[in-house]
Amino acid sequence: SYELTQPPSVSVSPGQTARITCSGDALPKKYVYWYQEKSSQAPVLVIYEDSKRPSGIPQRFSGSSSGTMATLTISGAQVEDEADYYCYSTDTSGNHGVFGGGTKLTVL
Amino acid sequence: EVQLVQSGAEVKKPGESLKISCKSSGYTFTTYWIAWVRQMPGKGLEWMGIIFPADSDTRYSPSFQGQVTISADKSISTAYLQWTSLKASDTAIYYCARCGSFPRGGFDIWGQGTTVTVSP
Repeated sequence: SYELTQPPSVSVSPGQTARITCSGDALPKKYVYWYQEKSSQAPVLVIYEDSKRPSGIPQRFSGSSSGTMATLTISGAQVEDEADYYCYSTDTSGNHGVFGGGTKLTVL
Repeated sequence: EVQLVQSGAEVKKPGESLKISCKSSGYTFTTYWIAWVRQMPGKGLEWMGIIFPADSDTRYSPSFQGQVTISADKSISTAYLQWTSLKASDTAIYYCARCGSFPRGGFDIWGQGTTVTVSP
């Protein structure tokens, strides 16, 4: 079955840039979405269609995609950005959605 | 306000059946897909399947095909996830989420989650 691969963890100091990657064979032809999940809360969309930011999401969140890899970048990460981040896309058939395994971001 | 409100937490025994719900408001229910997402304790998000309420077009993850049933009732703007025989491994938080178009789109609105505990 199709998989999206993320690093299990990323750690940065406050004010540094955090980059979380997501790789998958179908990404050249599929959009990627990024979700932030804080403990005991429902996920929140932070990036859609590879690089667009929903209203209300801070400008420090940005996304990009090239070839088989998409990247979520948090420029000047804040302590409140500590969370699990998941990428989401669909497989080549277009019949199934898939989440990446998730990346735990530590800002410390 | 656009929202998805899910039914409350459930505690069940193995072998029992269960149907949880996701009620939408603030938008036209039949113009968006609704997906179900599982999160087992301490684990990541898993896409279970998705339904288009307008015509009940439903797709399942191979991992969940035959294990659950996704349905929708247009008359009350509600989507459902059901099991006929629960297992302890079904213990998880289940989220519903709205999708503007499938497979092109992602999920912009999420329900608050329903915690399902299956224990003898």
